[in-house]
Amino acid sequence: TQLLEQSPQFLSIQEGENLTVYCNSSSVFSSLQWYRQEPGEGPVLLVTVVTGGEVKKLKRLTFQFGDARKDSSLHITAAQPGDTGLYLCAGAPPGTYKYIFGTGTRLKVLA
Amino acid sequence: DAGVIQSPRHEVTEMGQEVTLRCKPISGHDYLFWYRQTMMRGLELLIYFNNNVPIDDSGMPEDRFSAKMPNASFSTLKIQPSEPRDSAVYFCASSFAVQGASGYTFGSGTRLTVV
Repeated sequence: TQLLEQSPQFLSIQEGENLTVYCNSSSVFSSLQWYRQEPGEGPVLLVTVVTGGEVKKLKRLTFQFGDARKDSSLHITAAQPGDTGLYLCAGAPPGTYKYIFGTGTRLKVLA
Repeated sequence: DAGVIQSPRHEVTEMGQEVTLRCKPISGHDYLFWYRQTMMRGLELLIYFNNNVPIDDSGMPEDRFSAKMPNASFSTLKIQPSEPRDSAVYFCASSFAVQGASGYTFGSGTRLTVV
């Protein structure tokens, strides 16, 4: 069974600080996605990465897929209260079309 | 498009009762997924369909759970009989066929409480 461990589990920071969230596995994934979930809602897709070493930027968010396609990171620059939420990574094992979700990182950005 | 629509938003039922959760995927999406989310176990995939056909139900916890997709615009997840440990938020998601590129679009979920 593939497992995706995210760290840290919880993170509380001040507005303007930078942070990095990690998503790690011992298994290879053909693609990896990051989602953000707000209370009372379903997860919303932020990005998909498919190539080992790939880096994608979405405004203040930078996503990287590990060279071996087993891990990923999400870096947020100058965090804002609107970034508060549960961040989830999800990986698709090769040859499948089902995404396995990570354990999640709950981020709170204080004004 | 109204997105993925789930009903009801909240359901409280007594142990032993039958519960039916409903989902309307985005028109044109040919994959549909049912997930369950709890604090302890996170988001778990229960079952997914492609073109209305169940492809992988290995995540369905027990025979008490069943899912159907009679047509491209409707799916149900049924629990019979329900138990307190089934309490969770159940999400439906839909997607296009191309793996990874489009991601899943999730509904707002159904919060189920079994007392």
